[in-house]
Amino acid sequence: EPEVTQTPSHQVTQMGQEVILRCVPISNHLYFYWYRQILGQKVEFLVSFYNNEISEKSEIFDDQFSVERPDGSNFTLKIRSTKLEDSAMYFCASSWDLRRGGNNEQFFGPGTRLTVL
Amino acid sequence: ELKVEQNPLFLSMQEGKNYTIYCNYSTTSDRLYWYRQDPGKSLESLFVLLSNGAVKQEGRLMASLDTKARLSTLHITAAVHDLSATYFCADTGGTSGSRLTFGEGTQLTVNP
Repeated sequence: EPEVTQTPSHQVTQMGQEVILRCVPISNHLYFYWYRQILGQKVEFLVSFYNNEISEKSEIFDDQFSVERPDGSNFTLKIRSTKLEDSAMYFCASSWDLRRGGNNEQFFGPGTRLTVL
Repeated sequence: ELKVEQNPLFLSMQEGKNYTIYCNYSTTSDRLYWYRQDPGKSLESLFVLLSNGAVKQEGRLMASLDTKARLSTLHITAAVHDLSATYFCADTGGTSGSRLTFGEGTQLTVNP
């Protein structure tokens, strides 16, 4: 069964460093998302991406964040200058399998645990 | 602002018992999603409820949606230890391809 994959599974970085989190969404899905979950808290939306552009972003997604789909399969989240409070689990998700008529059910990847020291 | 509220936030129950988790949301959405998360793991899609009155069942879990009351329930029947996890409901505000707004989650512990 198709699944969303993410790399790396764990990233440790120093405050102020740039990190890039990578995701491969499910093939033929059209919508891509990034969410984050601070330890013990609920899942928070960061950004959605459709047709090669950002379709929606939250107040968390400030100028330090950017997303890109550099090729036909990868979807990346870049944090330019990490802060301590960026430490969280980052989940990528995708939705809308056009062949099956999609219902916006979002399928989540395994996550990348980002630790900022 | 879209709000999604779950209760209870913590639930400890004995095996074999029944219980219901409630999810209230603030929009006029006609679709609601339930996810399960095991500790340190990702979110697993459990149910997609797409219309008023929708009811879906999978094993010991049954989810329903009442769009008029803006309420979804997740009912657990004869709980078993394997159901121990955190359960989240989520709403998109009714817009396809839109963000999911999650509730705070209900941490369920099923004791032998």
